Amino acid sequence: QSVLTQPPSASGTPGQRVTISCSGSSSNIGSNTVNWYQQLPGTAPKLLIFNNNKRPSGVPDRFSGSKSGTSASLAISGLQSEDEADYYCAAWDDSLNGLWVFGGGTKLTVL
Amino acid sequence: QVQLQESGPGLVKPSQTLSLTCTVSGASISSGGYYWSWIRQYPGKGLEWIGYIYYSGSTYYNPSLKSRVTILVDTSKNQFSLKLRSVTAADTAVYYCARSVGWFGEAHFDYWGQGTLVTVSS
Repeated sequence: QSVLTQPPSASGTPGQRVTISCSGSSSNIGSNTVNWYQQLPGTAPKLLIFNNNKRPSGVPDRFSGSKSGTSASLAISGLQSEDEADYYCAAWDDSLNGLWVFGGGTKLTVL
Repeated sequence: QVQLQESGPGLVKPSQTLSLTCTVSGASISSGGYYWSWIRQYPGKGLEWIGYIYYSGSTYYNPSLKSRVTILVDTSKNQFSLKLRSVTAADTAVYYCARSVGWFGEAHFDYWGQGTLVTVSS
């Protein structure tokens, strides 16, 4: 059972815009920044969005992130076939002595 | 370019100790400014943070694993390691090492190793 809640699946057709949600609580998303990772089949997770809405160098601006209260969202516009992957949100949780928590992942299918 | 590479046995017997090493290239652990993490991914795909270490040796562990985990750093070899004691089948996972940049609540994992599958079985 993951601390952050994501829908298990999402889908869209090429060119469409899709969003993936990530719901948490006051001890994680509510008080810290959210990061998003993309995991292509058979590979390690790759940083996609950090500090809620910043893109690392090399990540297309089709990917964007936002945060409001205890929830965050990842939006992908102009969907492409190579975007088919698993997407994970993550945040630092201030409970206990602190720890990193992740969402359960969303499998994005490009139809 | 920063690269991380995990190494260690792919098969561990129940009740024994899982030991992995992460070798870092393209960056110096001793230069500071980063935390060096272990993260695992279960076969069902969920991710779990195990803990991390600073170059000074300061460690932070996931409370749920703290009693069984030790993370050490060897700056002379630019490596850090993971030991997980008393393993069971539930510890079967792909184990990743990763670099964290930033201060706790505003940090993120910017580089990851390719991962290594560890199976716990007799």
